[in-house]
Amino acid sequence: GDSVTQMEGPVTLSEEAFLTINCTYTATGYPSLFWYVQYPGEGLQLLLKATKADDKGSNKGFEATYRKETTSFHLEKGSVQVSDSAVYFCALRTQGGSEKLVFGKGTKLTVNP
Amino acid sequence: ETGVTQSPTHLIKTRGQQVTLRCSSQSGHNTVSWYQQALGQGPQFIFQYYREEENGRGNFPPRFSGLQFPNYSSELNVNALELDDSALYLCASSLRDSMGEQYFGPGTRLTVT
Repeated sequence: GDSVTQMEGPVTLSEEAFLTINCTYTATGYPSLFWYVQYPGEGLQLLLKATKADDKGSNKGFEATYRKETTSFHLEKGSVQVSDSAVYFCALRTQGGSEKLVFGKGTKLTVNP
Repeated sequence: ETGVTQSPTHLIKTRGQQVTLRCSSQSGHNTVSWYQQALGQGPQFIFQYYREEENGRGNFPPRFSGLQFPNYSSELNVNALELDDSALYLCASSLRDSMGEQYFGPGTRLTVT
């Protein structure tokens, strides 16, 4: 079945460091891909999305490009801030039937000042 | 526009009991999905409701059931609670065929003792 694999965390960075969180997926067809962020004690917030190959999603300085050839959707940010500390989830939307999301296990990011 | 709300925020139940969790969709959304998020894991799809009917179900036993009401609010019912049901339960609303963009509530933390 469809699945998402994220790099294991936790990830600890200093402020202004470069961030990459790897995400690969297995799916039939061409799913839509998402990054969600979960701040402590809160629900999930959509960070960015891409709906077809070579699309680049971006928001708040974060970017991810839908790479069909490598089945990847890696999250990047050039300069992280303390306020970016959260858990990041990569997800895909299955094709056909319900619009369910399949999530990776999440990567916890801590940014130190 | 009002976001997705869930109640209660926290709940403690005893093994074998039954529980009902509630969710109010974001205004204008006609689809509700429920997810279970165990500690340190990504959310797992339980089921989805569209126009008051179940529209897809994940790998959860029948003691997990739901309802969607004409105003698109929803309930998740769990019978015969087990210790492993302890988790954060997330409700997400969306507009059908919205390319998978789902908006999440803050969740209900269920503890089964």
